[in-house]
Amino acid sequence: QQQVKQSPQSLIVQKGGISIINCAYENTAFDYFPWYQQFPGKGPALLIAIRPDVSEKKEGRFTISFNKSAKQFSLHIMDSQPGDSATYFCAARASGTYKYIFGTGTRLKVLA
Amino acid sequence: NAGVTQTPKFRVLKTGQSMTLLCAQDMNHEYMYWYRQDPGMGLRLIHYSVGEGTTAKGEVPDGYNVSRLKKQNFLLGLESAAPSQTSVYFCASVNRVGRNTGELFFGEGSRLTVL
Repeated sequence: QQQVKQSPQSLIVQKGGISIINCAYENTAFDYFPWYQQFPGKGPALLIAIRPDVSEKKEGRFTISFNKSAKQFSLHIMDSQPGDSATYFCAARASGTYKYIFGTGTRLKVLA
Repeated sequence: NAGVTQTPKFRVLKTGQSMTLLCAQDMNHEYMYWYRQDPGMGLRLIHYSVGEGTTAKGEVPDGYNVSRLKKQNFLLGLESAAPSQTSVYFCASVNRVGRNTGELFFGEGSRLTVL
């Protein structure tokens, strides 16, 4: 049972464009929402994370938007670059635990 | 600082064979995890451990066993491998206190093929 639903499954963006990946969760008992970036042959690495008491967090070209009432959060990559081509996973952590549930992943390709 | 190290990186098994994947972390993290990654399925939690000597089931525990005899090591065992266990396995650990609390650190993965 997938508690975190991620879309789209794949995404192609032109260099300089905006990449948007969306996630929705069903269980309200989550207290931390990270995004992980994974390059081929490597393990995922933390990109950016947000807590539910904040509606937006920005780090460089990467922004998380969080809508608590809709139980949705999204990753925006501004000025997308070919080096951003990777698989992105959203995740949610069950409150009071260190148990993380991941989305199914989005394979992003940025064309030069 | 090696972080999270997984061995072996690649392995081919025949159906019914057994094997153990080893995960070692040098960051003194309390919590450790085993995930499997399959196309279109994302990362699914197999088992996890909240400390030395303790383990718990995740989303997809069937067919796997784990042990955490030492704080730095987390072992994932397959007693009788099945083709459905063909996957890429990732170990991770998390820091509960201090800087970067809550950040999962992943190994580079172990690719297992069961024929």
